[in-house]
Amino acid sequence: NAGVTQTPKFQVLKTGQSMTLQCAQDMNHNSMYWYRQDPGMGLRLIYYSASEGTTDKGEVPNGYNVSRLNKREFSLRLESAAPSQTSVYFCASSARSSGRSFVGTDTQYFGPGTRLTVL
Amino acid sequence: SQQGEEDPQALSIQEGENATMNCSYKTSINNLQWYRQNSGRGLVHLILIRSNEREKHSGRLRVTLDTSKKSSSLLITASRAADTASYFCATDAADDKIIFGKGTRLHILP
Repeated sequence: NAGVTQTPKFQVLKTGQSMTLQCAQDMNHNSMYWYRQDPGMGLRLIYYSASEGTTDKGEVPNGYNVSRLNKREFSLRLESAAPSQTSVYFCASSARSSGRSFVGTDTQYFGPGTRLTVL
Repeated sequence: SQQGEEDPQALSIQEGENATMNCSYKTSINNLQWYRQNSGRGLVHLILIRSNEREKHSGRLRVTLDTSKKSSSLLITASRAADTASYFCATDAADDKIIFGKGTRLHILP
């Protein structure tokens, strides 16, 4: 059981380049999330997916797109990277079903993170 | 805007002492969670308390929830060097979002 995996671990981009961050979970979770973490800012939600085939914007979605490829995988794409997107990106998953909060389902399991630098 | 806000932002205590950190939030919730993050790592879930609970224990952790004041506290008793980390509260919001606060950085001094 690998839990939540993310690739790559590190990435350096030039302004304007594009890239996709990959995330996969093997816990059969319904919900998946992408966060960015900047110094002193905590975690901010970029996008989330409450079920396969659905995605919704979080607090800071501008400059990003996501794709819930299947129940296991949730990718985050930067179409034209900007220095303001330099951050550590975390993917997470939970068993929560859309609109329904049950005991134990809201716990989020996090990947190890991707450290992205945009020059 | 952040749903949860932790206080203090940073805390240094001697090993063996108790550490208390607080979280305040703005809107009604179904539950509140606490997570720990060691430097450079992903977050790890510590404990979840539901809105109809007032107190919950897990090992050396004690969490309280006061829904009338929209606040929660995390107490770590008999702190150890390994407790040095950042601690975040997270609250569920509308539309299935889980919103994290900015965290409290805890440093345990030897």
